[in-house]
Amino acid sequence: DQQVKQNSPSLSVQEGRISILNCDYTNSMFDYFLWYKKYPAEGPTFLISISSIKDKNEDGRFTVFLNKSAKHLSLHIVPSQPGDSAVYFCAASALFTQGAQKLVFGQGTRLTINP
Amino acid sequence: DVKVTQSSRYLVKRTGEKVFLECVQDMDHENMFWYRQDPGLGLRLIYFSYDVKMKEKGDIPEGYSVSREKKERFSLILESASTNQTSMYLCASSLPPGQGLAKNIQYFGAGTRLSVL
Repeated sequence: DQQVKQNSPSLSVQEGRISILNCDYTNSMFDYFLWYKKYPAEGPTFLISISSIKDKNEDGRFTVFLNKSAKHLSLHIVPSQPGDSAVYFCAASALFTQGAQKLVFGQGTRLTINP
Repeated sequence: DVKVTQSSRYLVKRTGEKVFLECVQDMDHENMFWYRQDPGLGLRLIYFSYDVKMKEKGDIPEGYSVSREKKERFSLILESASTNQTSMYLCASSLPPGQGLAKNIQYFGAGTRLSVL
C-alpha cells in the first residue's frame, strides 16, 4: 500500500527551463511534506518542505506547492541547472510513536538536466 | 551541520552471516532510524529508536534487529543474512518532539551498499 506515490520514474529537462516533479499521497493525516535530493553514492539531503496549513513555500530556485484537496504536491525548479540532476524523493510526515514523526517516502524521480 | 556517519560504504557478505551496520550521529539527536532503499520502492523504514535502549519496529523489521547502547550510536543487525537483504541501507537522525516543525526533518548518512551472496 503505497501511501506516497511519485508516478514518474524519470524526467528529462533542458538546462534553464522549469523542472516540475509531482507527488500524490493518500493519507489525510500527513501534516508535513518534504523533498529530498539524492546523488549517487550519497545519502538523501533535505531540500525544501511545506506544512499542511500552507499551499506554497519558496526557497531560491525551489518552490513546493501543496494542493490538499487533490492530495498532491509538486516541486518546481527554475531555472534548472546541470547540478540539479539527481533522484528526488517526496516524503510525507505523520505522528508515529513516542511523539516522533515518521516519514513515508515516494519511489523517487530521477531528474536529468540536459545542457 | 548535522553529521551522520555510516561506518562502511560497501559490504559483501555471504548468506547466513551475521552482519552489523553501524551509524553514529554528532548532533545529540534523540531519534534515529534505519531505512533500506530499493529501486522502485523508495525508502522503507526498518527500525526506529527514540532513546538509548528504546526501539520500535518500522514497516519491514523482519530479519533485522537493532541496538542502541549509546545515544549517538545506532546499529542494525542482520542475524542471518539472506540474498533478499541485498540493498542500500540508510541511517538517519532527527530532533525530538517539542522542536517545532524542525522535528520533521531527518538527516541521513551516506548509506551502506550491502551485497549478500
